[in-house]
Amino acid sequence: DQQVKQNSPSLSVQEGRISILNCDYTNSMFDYFLWYKKYPAEGPTFLISISSIKDKNEDGRFTVFLNKSAKHLSLHIVPSQPGDSAVYFCAASRTMDSNYQLIWGAGTKLIIKP
Amino acid sequence: SQTIHQWPATLVQPVGSPLSLECTVEGTSNPNLYWYRQAAGRGLQLLFYSVGIGQISSEVPQNLSASRPQDRQFILSSKKLLLSDSGFYLCAWRTGKRLLNTEAFFGQGTRLTVV
Repeated sequence: DQQVKQNSPSLSVQEGRISILNCDYTNSMFDYFLWYKKYPAEGPTFLISISSIKDKNEDGRFTVFLNKSAKHLSLHIVPSQPGDSAVYFCAASRTMDSNYQLIWGAGTKLIIKP
Repeated sequence: SQTIHQWPATLVQPVGSPLSLECTVEGTSNPNLYWYRQAAGRGLQLLFYSVGIGQISSEVPQNLSASRPQDRQFILSSKKLLLSDSGFYLCAWRTGKRLLNTEAFFGQGTRLTVV
């Protein structure tokens, strides 16, 4: 049972435009959400997170939106740059989860076209 | 500042040979430690996690085992590798403080090819 889903395996966006990556979750107990970026043959690097008490968090070109009623979050990258080409993972966790696990989506490969 | 070291970066091993991947964390104490595997074109699969020395939880039955002999050391092992063990292995740590939401930090990964 996939509790965190990224339904788009890949996304192609023109340089300078907005990239929107989507993530859906099924467990209403999740209260903390994260986005990671991963280049080939490297470990994922943390981008941005959001707590369930918020509906938006912004950090430079990256903004994460959380819609709790729809159990949906999205990552907006504006403007998109060639270096943003990577696989993006969303992850979710429950604060009360004693093993502090992050539940991961399958990832979306973002390709920024010049 | 905290750092995480994982080695080796790449490894080619024959079927049936043993495996030992090591991960160490610096700059923090009592971290939660994780081993993940990323198969080609797929997401991150949690293999093991540990909330303390000697405490290992397995998420997926498999040919692998993990140990935590010291607070900031996490080892992934196998006695006999299978072809299906090939993949990209990632070690990660996250704060061990309860009720504190933070990100997880990953090592650079190990590309294991079993031949």
